[in-house]
Formats: sequence, C-alpha cells, structure tokens
Amino acid sequence: EAQVTQNPRYLITVTGKKLTVTCSQNMNHEYMSWYRQDPGLGLRQIYYSMNVEVTDKGDVPEGYKVSRKEKRNFPLILESPSPNQTSLYFCASKLGLAGEFVEFFGPGTRLTVL
Amino acid sequence: KNEVEQSPQNLTAQEGEFITINCSYSVGISALHWLQQHPGGGIVSLFMLSSGKKKHGRLIATINIQEKHSSLHITASHPRDSAVYICAVLADKLIFGTGTRLQVFP
Repeated sequence: EAQVTQNPRYLITVTGKKLTVTCSQNMNHEYMSWYRQDPGLGLRQIYYSMNVEVTDKGDVPEGYKVSRKEKRNFPLILESPSPNQTSLYFCASKLGLAGEFVEFFGPGTRLTVL
Repeated sequence: KNEVEQSPQNLTAQEGEFITINCSYSVGISALHWLQQHPGGGIVSLFMLSSGKKKHGRLIATINIQEKHSSLHITASHPRDSAVYICAVLADKLIFGTGTRLQVFP
C-alpha cells in the first residue's frame, strides 16, 4: 500500500530534550516536506527536500533540522525543543515539485513540549 | 491579510443538504488543491485543479482563475462528510487556508 508513515504518532517531552520524528514513504517520491499545524494558522511548511541531500527552509524553520540521506526517509529533528513547538506535525511527499502532483500526507505526530 | 481565505470557517448542515465551501486567493498560482482532514487528524487530497471543474462522486470542485476563486461543493451531504476542508494554492510555494470545519448531522 502506498503510504507515508510517521513515528511516533504522539509524544510528550520536556524542554531541551532532543527528539527525532521519523518519516518514510514507499512511493519513490522525490519531494518531501514537513508541516506544522496550529489552531487558527493552518498548515505551515517547516522544511522541504527536492531530492536526496537537497533540503531547504520553508516558512518556519527555526528550531528544526532535517536530513535526506535516502530517498524514502526525511526525519525531523528538534535539537532543543521548546513549548512553542507544541503542535501537530505532518510529513508529506509527492512525485515532484510541479503543481499537478498530488501531495500524500502522513498520519500526523502530535507533539507536546512541557 | 491572508493570501488564502476560506469561508465559512464553520458550517453545520443536515444530512442531505447541498454544501458549498469557498476559497479566495490573492496570488498568482499554478494549481489549487482541496484537502480533507478527518476528525482523527489524517489529511487526504481530494482534488487538484488548474482550471475548470472536477467531479468525484458527490464532490465537485470548481476554479475561476480570473476571479481567483474556487468552490468545493458536496451534494447530498452525509455525516461521514464531517471534517475540516482545506484549500491550498501553489504559488512559489504551497500556501494553505485555515480550513472550514463542516459538521453534518443526521
């Protein structure tokens, strides 16, 4: 089944404790991205990657890191989480950057930073 | 002002009603997407439009490029249509609206 998987789905942590949210897709997609969703603000892009070893900042990259060592995986790293990073996070992938490609979303990771 | 505005923000309907959700945008775009976010949080893509109209089952999406406006229609609404519907436009990046929360009651 074609899908984007994220782990963990739920995470409660404390300020400053490094964490990684994994994202994997099995569709051989080139383009992957991370979004956060906050009430009243909609989805905002954190980072995106157009291919292996190619990553770029989205709208709200501060406090986050990503890597793209393999085509299928695009982990999101919070080196020193803070309470303002409490949010619902989505990983997504699509075949390419062009507008006609449909974006596939992972199930979401609900992160709480105390 | 947001570059993508959706209306209404919240919508309640009785089962069987015809639903319209609107999306207006202020930037030049190459495509517009309608997404559905289920109560559990999962997001699925419903439509991608660059012109005209698309239909899938009871869902119809239209776009007017000159007026920078798109509509999502649901015919014969059903409680399982209850979700948040999100409009997203592809300009130099993907820009999301804040969503329309739809509740359909039996």
